[in-house]
Amino acid sequence: QSALTQPRSVSGSPGQSVTISCTGTSSDVGTYNYVSWYQQHPGRAPKLMIYDVTKRPSGVPDRFSGSKSGNTASLTISGLQAEDEADYYCCSYAGSYPHFVFGTGTKVTVL
Amino acid sequence: EVQLVESGGGLVQPGRSLRLSCAASGFTFDDYAMHWVRQAPGKGLEWVSGISWNNGRTGYADSVKGRFTISRDNAKNSLYLQMNSLRAEDTALYYCARELWYFDLWGRGTLVTVSS
Repeated sequence: QSALTQPRSVSGSPGQSVTISCTGTSSDVGTYNYVSWYQQHPGRAPKLMIYDVTKRPSGVPDRFSGSKSGNTASLTISGLQAEDEADYYCCSYAGSYPHFVFGTGTKVTVL
Repeated sequence: EVQLVESGGGLVQPGRSLRLSCAASGFTFDDYAMHWVRQAPGKGLEWVSGISWNNGRTGYADSVKGRFTISRDNAKNSLYLQMNSLRAEDTALYYCARELWYFDLWGRGTLVTVSS
């Protein structure tokens, strides 16, 4: 049950795009299309941004998109805005329900 | 209003026990699996435990297996986490979360501090 691997930080200027990677194994990300992404602002609870690898919940801007290739999932934020500055976590179903595993987290900084 | 409200956190000595509760409202509680996720101060999210809608299946992170027990009472719309043999490394904000293969609803968390 090792945590999924994410970069510690990424940054970009307003309007630019950033991509956060989330690397797991064939026991989680590589096998199941149950990858989700969460945004967390300081002092706040996590907020669901992407589920089932590519789907966006109602109310989440279409600037946020998800993808997956092999054992690595990715979250892309296009047209970066100041309010996107936050911590982001990926999460994957890890088999043997109801086991899940989170990523190590990535801090997104808007320059 | 659709919400989850955790309670039961506090300061506890190492080796002691604590029971967390999560009260659900605004939705049909027994339609969903439920989970506990924790976050140590300044650290990332860690999945702790989950339970299916009907208590049929439970799961635990290796870090808490054998010490924590998850349960639910669908008649009371409540989720619980019994935490025994607490360690300093269990110090964290504990969230309950609703699951549909992703966590779409979170509470605000209850803080557990394990210290002598």
